This record gives sequence, structure tokens and C-alpha cells, in this order.
Amino acid sequence: RKEVEQDPGPFNVPEGATVAFNCTYSNSASQSFFWYRQDCRKEPKLLMSVYSSGNEDGRFTAQLNRASQYISLLIRDSKLSDSATYLCVVRDNYGQNFVFGPGTRLSVLP
Amino acid sequence: DVKVTQSSRYLVKRTGEKVFLECVQDMDHENMFWYRQDPGLGLRLIYFSYDVKMKEKGDIPEGYSVSREKKERFSLILESASTNQTSMYLCASSFPPTGELFFGEGSRLTVL
Repeated sequence: RKEVEQDPGPFNVPEGATVAFNCTYSNSASQSFFWYRQDCRKEPKLLMSVYSSGNEDGRFTAQLNRASQYISLLIRDSKLSDSATYLCVVRDNYGQNFVFGPGTRLSVLP
Repeated sequence: DVKVTQSSRYLVKRTGEKVFLECVQDMDHENMFWYRQDPGLGLRLIYFSYDVKMKEKGDIPEGYSVSREKKERFSLILESASTNQTSMYLCASSFPPTGELFFGEGSRLTVL
């Protein structure tokens, strides 16, 4: 079983749609959780950290369920510019190793 | 702005050649990482370093070595390149309090 698993995708959605990505992790000792965004042929960049209480940044909402070892990302009112691959990332309890999920590709269509 | 710079964006090498990939960060970060990214497999950790001259193996260290002689510089070495090492190589550094990883633009290596 992979340490971090994500929806296989791709997701093709129309502009304005709401889309949700799911991620599960296997290491119950994991301490920190993130969503990264990677545009085609570019490096990954931090989209948002994920906190236990859930957090929101504009149209993006991240949730964490430690009991189920599950992380989600919700994007509301999708824009064309949201088209990218979204990577779920988990940091271990020593804070030095980041484990990446395989990513879920999103295409927002006009 | 944090800057992580990788020395080469594109390289083409022949089987058996020695390959150096250089990475420099300008934010005094202690932790640095080398990943490779392949379609369908995502990012996989090759090596990381949490201090000068310190290194730890990641998930796929075979066929690679690293060097960290200065805090800002982390080098990945392929002693004898093979075709299965054709990949995108990404260097990153991290700021422990926030946990954010900052990536370089990547080095796309093709081994013929």
C-alpha cells in the first residue's frame, strides 16, 4: 500500500464548478499536511497547509480527519487558471521527510 | 523571495557517464532534498540532508550519491548513468517552522 494515495483523476470540470479531491495516508504518526499545486512542466508550489480544524483560503478549503487519516481539498467556483495537478503531501513526525501522493490532475474547461 | 536554483534545466548523457546535478538555495535553509518525478509514480525522495555533511537515504537512493559541503549547496551525483535514470530531478529546501518546501525548476535528464 502506498503511503499517500489520491483520487486517480483526471478531473474535467466546467468553469464555475465545485470540485473535491481526496487523499489518504498510511502513517498515523504523520504530523503535517499540505496541498501543493504543480502546473504542467513546472515545479510544485505550496497551495496551502492543512490544519486539524480545517482551513480556508478564498475559494479553497482544506480538511483533515486524523482518525480516518484522510485529507481533502475543495475548490469552489473553478477558474480556468485552476487547471493543474494537485499533490497531497504528508510530513513525518521527525519533520524531515515529505511524502508525496501521485497527484490528481484537474482540467477546468470553458 | 526564496530562490532554489538548479544548474541545468536539460541534460542529455550517455549510459555510463558521470552526471552532476547542482542545487543552490539562498535562504539559509537547513534541510535540502532531491526528488525524481516520473509519470504515474509522482515525486520520490532520493536523498535528503538536514545539515552540512549530513545525508540520509530516501526511498530510492540506489545508483545515486549526494554531497553537501556548504549549507546552501546540495549536489546529486549519478556515478554511472543508466537509461532508467532518465527522469525529471527536483531539488527542494524547507523552512522547518512552516514546513513549506521550495522547489527549483527541475532538471530533465535523458540518458541514451
